[in-house]
Amino acid sequence: EVQLVESGGDLVQAGGSLRLSCVASGFTFSSYWMHWVRQAPGKGPVWVSRIISDGSSASYADSVKGRLTTSRDNAKNTLYLQMNSLRAEDTAVYYCVRDSRYNMDVWGQGTTVTVSS
Amino acid sequence: QSALTQPRSVSGSPGQSVTISCTGTNSDVGGYNYVSWYQQHPGKAPKHMIYDVSKRPSGVPDRFSGSKSGNTASLTVSGLQAEDEADYYCCSYAGSYTWVFGGGTKLTVL
Repeated sequence: EVQLVESGGDLVQAGGSLRLSCVASGFTFSSYWMHWVRQAPGKGPVWVSRIISDGSSASYADSVKGRLTTSRDNAKNTLYLQMNSLRAEDTAVYYCVRDSRYNMDVWGQGTTVTVSS
Repeated sequence: QSALTQPRSVSGSPGQSVTISCTGTNSDVGGYNYVSWYQQHPGKAPKHMIYDVSKRPSGVPDRFSGSKSGNTASLTVSGLQAEDEADYYCCSYAGSYTWVFGGGTKLTVL
């Protein structure tokens, strides 16, 4: 079964840091681009970042550039999101999502990040 | 990276059809055939319903169909069933390896 399991969400103070992880199983992780997508309470999903299959290149939404960094360890089938200089507006459920030719086909269950000001 | 525009809500009776629109620009919806649709029930993760504008992943009922004209994509749900009541989001590739979602539409089955 194809599965993505996120972890690492927590309550953190504004200005703090957090690292999210996403463990993939049931498919060849190293062959796929991966995304992070977040969803604030009561709002729609917002695309955050994408990383290519070998991890050598990533792209980001303007709202997170310079503060959030996506990386991956294909030997561990794990995707990461390093979050620095956190702001109240970063409060959201963060989803790890598999890319399938520019579409997002498999979603994890999400992990919750709450930034207190 | 402005959000795609969707109606806040649509509704229909069981057995009827409803269509949800998703309007963008020629830099996203109108520029690429990479429009997808997601269904989200409360407290759950989004579920992939349509990709590449009009293709259905395996396991998605053929009651769900997608189309695009210019800068507007549409999701049609035919033969409405109670379990179709959910939030629906569109998403489009927006070039330069960025993506944009719509604000979401709440589908109510009356």
